[in-house]
Amino acid sequence: RKEVEQDPGPFNVPEGATVAFNCTYSNSASQSFFWYRQDCRKEPKLLMSVYSSGNEDGRFTAQLNRASQYISLLIRDSKLSDSATYLCVVDPNTGGFKTIFGAGTRLFVKA
Amino acid sequence: EPEVTQTPSHQVTQMGQEVILRCVPISNHLYFYWYRQILGQKVEFLVSFYNNEISEKSEIFDDQFSVERPDGSNFTLKIRSTKLEDSAMYFCASSEGGRAEAFFGQGTRLTVV
Repeated sequence: RKEVEQDPGPFNVPEGATVAFNCTYSNSASQSFFWYRQDCRKEPKLLMSVYSSGNEDGRFTAQLNRASQYISLLIRDSKLSDSATYLCVVDPNTGGFKTIFGAGTRLFVKA
Repeated sequence: EPEVTQTPSHQVTQMGQEVILRCVPISNHLYFYWYRQILGQKVEFLVSFYNNEISEKSEIFDDQFSVERPDGSNFTLKIRSTKLEDSAMYFCASSEGGRAEAFFGQGTRLTVV
């Protein structure tokens, strides 16, 4: 099992749609979880941290299910500008400080 | 808004040469990281650095690589004897806490010819 596994893409959705991304992680000791977005040939940019209680930031909602080792990101009312690759990032809590990136899920939002 | 800055944005080097990639982390951050991303592949962790020493490193980060914080602001990645397969985008990141959100620089594209 991969350390961090994401839905294969791409997702093609119309503007205004709701889209959900899923991510699973293999190490049950993992401690911190994040969603980043990456535009083509650019650096990853933090979208949001993911907390056990779930958290929301505008149109974006993140959920964490520790029992199932599963993280999700929901985007409501998709905009053209949401087109990007969404990266699931996990701190496996293996002693030092590191994060493992998923391969990413590509989203295309079309007019 | 504070940001991580990296120089140069693009470096071309001949196989076998040494390169130094430079980063200025966000000023009040204490944890520093290097990642790489080969074109079309995922972002891979290389090394983390805290309190003037390496905190953790990946299997990619072998004796060919080293990191240094030569002064209070810079954080460098040295790659000795570069190989063709070292061609990638190298990202520096920093965070306030060890398990906190990390902020990335714009990257240095390294091309080994």
